[in-house]
Amino acid sequence: DTGVSQDPRHKITKRGQNVTFRCDPISEHNRLYWYRQTLGQGPEFLTYFQNEAQLEKSRLLSDRFSAERPKGSFSTLEIQRTEQGDSAMYLCASSSRQGVGETQYFGPGTRLLVL
Amino acid sequence: EDQVTQSPEALRLQEGESSSLNCSYTVSGLRGLFWYRQDPGKGPEFLFTLYSAGEEKEKERLKATLTKKESFLHITAPKPEDSATYLCAVQASTGGFKTIFGAGTRLFVKA
Repeated sequence: DTGVSQDPRHKITKRGQNVTFRCDPISEHNRLYWYRQTLGQGPEFLTYFQNEAQLEKSRLLSDRFSAERPKGSFSTLEIQRTEQGDSAMYLCASSSRQGVGETQYFGPGTRLLVL
Repeated sequence: EDQVTQSPEALRLQEGESSSLNCSYTVSGLRGLFWYRQDPGKGPEFLFTLYSAGEEKEKERLKATLTKKESFLHITAPKPEDSATYLCAVQASTGGFKTIFGAGTRLFVKA
């Protein structure tokens, strides 16, 4: 296994269009996280899944954002009616419980530019 | 509210000049504190997890320490390839696995 993968790596879209990103976690990992990162800032938590269940969503997450993880494997993040403020790097991470804690492994990210 | 503050925002060092990065945190019970390295345009790369005050971990020129209120990432005799952004993150022991990141410290090491 080569780690967490994300597709596409780059996406340019026009304001108002819908976009969908995919994340494939490390195969044995049961938790999957989505983050958003803007220039000069740390990753901002969006949501996470344990297996197929979405357990928490950020209060800052607009209703235009939705995430799914069917069958507890890959996950998709959809942004509807994109706005220029959605331009950012979208990061996915996966983890599995090890002892009392866990380590999250990140993918390379999808860079979104909304024109 | 859980919070992570990193300082300084940026740090410029000469090769071989040791220094420390600070991560101050406020969390309702600590499940774990994490350090990551991030290179431009890439996803964060895991470095360390610390679980309780007094714990220390080392990897090559890096050493992470933890107290009840802050963590330090010590860099000994840095090299230019250590230049990157170093991110600190925490998970609270209450509730789920939401992870809060700081804004990071950008480290520049000059040869």
